[in-house]
Amino acid sequence: QKEVEQDPGPLSVPEGAIVSLNCTYSNSAFQYFMWYRQYSRKGPELLMYTYSSGNKEDGRFTAQVDKSSKYISLFIRDSQPSDSATYLCAMSASYTGANSKLTFGKGITLSVRP
Amino acid sequence: EAQVTQNPRYLITVTGKKLTVTCSQNMNHEYMSWYRQDPGLGLRQIYYSMNVEVTDKGDVPEGYKVSRKEKRNFPLILESPSPNQTSLYFCASSFLGSSNQPQHFGDGTRLSIL
Repeated sequence: QKEVEQDPGPLSVPEGAIVSLNCTYSNSAFQYFMWYRQYSRKGPELLMYTYSSGNKEDGRFTAQVDKSSKYISLFIRDSQPSDSATYLCAMSASYTGANSKLTFGKGITLSVRP
Repeated sequence: EAQVTQNPRYLITVTGKKLTVTCSQNMNHEYMSWYRQDPGLGLRQIYYSMNVEVTDKGDVPEGYKVSRKEKRNFPLILESPSPNQTSLYFCASSFLGSSNQPQHFGDGTRLSIL
């Protein structure tokens, strides 16, 4: 089993839809969970960051972590064509030292149709 | 403007011809890292550096070298490139010891080795 599994996609939704993106992981030491967004021909940029379990909201984006199930989600409300990008989950066991290495999911490409 | 700059952005070369991809950051970050991104495999770490003169292997270091002589620069060296190193490469940097460790990524270098 890979350390981090992400739904492969691609995913196509109409504008205004609620989008749910998910990752599962196997390493129980992971405590820091991130979602990166990557536009075509650009590097990934940090979108959301959460520590341990719980929810975090930022505008139309909500990140959810369930450590007991080893499952993280990113919800996008009122999706816009500008949300069309590849979304990568990432996680690490620590924020410092050798355990701060990020392990990424493979990414899912989202397309929001006008 | 805070940024990670990679050069070149695109390169087509031939097997065995040594090449260097440069990476420079202007944020005074201690941590720098190189990734390669391949379809179906996601982002995989090649090498990382926690500070000047401190480098270590990531998940896929074979065929690559790095150096960290200055804090801002972290070049990736392919001494004898082979076709299986054809990929999209990203350099990233971040502060160490921060509970929010967004890794800032460059815009990528697409390498094709014939």
